[in-house]
Amino acid sequence: EAGVVQSPRYKIIEKKQPVAFWCNPISGHNTLYWYLQNLGQGPELLIRYENEEAVDDSQLPKDRFSAERLKGVDSTLKIQPAELGDSAVYLCASSLGGARTEAFFGQGTRLTVV
Amino acid sequence: QKEVEQDPGPLSVPEGAIVSLNCTYSNSAFQYFMWYRQYSRKGPELLMYTYSSGNKEDGRFTAQVDKSSKYISLFIRDSQPSDSATYLCAMSVSGTLTFGKGTMLLVSP
Repeated sequence: EAGVVQSPRYKIIEKKQPVAFWCNPISGHNTLYWYLQNLGQGPELLIRYENEEAVDDSQLPKDRFSAERLKGVDSTLKIQPAELGDSAVYLCASSLGGARTEAFFGQGTRLTVV
Repeated sequence: QKEVEQDPGPLSVPEGAIVSLNCTYSNSAFQYFMWYRQYSRKGPELLMYTYSSGNKEDGRFTAQVDKSSKYISLFIRDSQPSDSATYLCAMSVSGTLTFGKGTMLLVSP
């Protein structure tokens, strides 16, 4: 069974440019998460989807970040415009949903803003 | 005070040692508890998942939860150099996972 797939693995952009990350969760997983991980820190939630609905986006900086999960499967996270402080690893994870909260992570996208 | 506290280490042990990794938490509503292993430049990998207080064993790994003390532990027996990684505790309520900062473990041959 394929795991969570993220692309790209690495991205280098200049500040003020837009960037997008893509995630394909494990088949059948209803819950999808986007996490941000800074060096030496644990992952921090940006947004959680239950199927197509964003049920927890309280930590998403909505002035520059946006996300969507079309048809309740794949998801895209966008930053526009990017700032130097956005340099981090962006992790996507999925879980079955409901009481099954154990989440499985992708390899992440390492973003560097210069 | 963060909801989940975890000593960042590094924790250095010789091969074959028993390793104890710990987290404390403040939110008594947390219901599910997980341990992840993360190698450098990789995504977190789920190791253990528990719900109730008590112990859960899987091979060389034992997860322990004490809800009354708000304290969870991961024990690794017969540690190997390949166990060298960062170990993250995570806990959830209502579907959202909250992570500790992670403890870096170094197992020397």
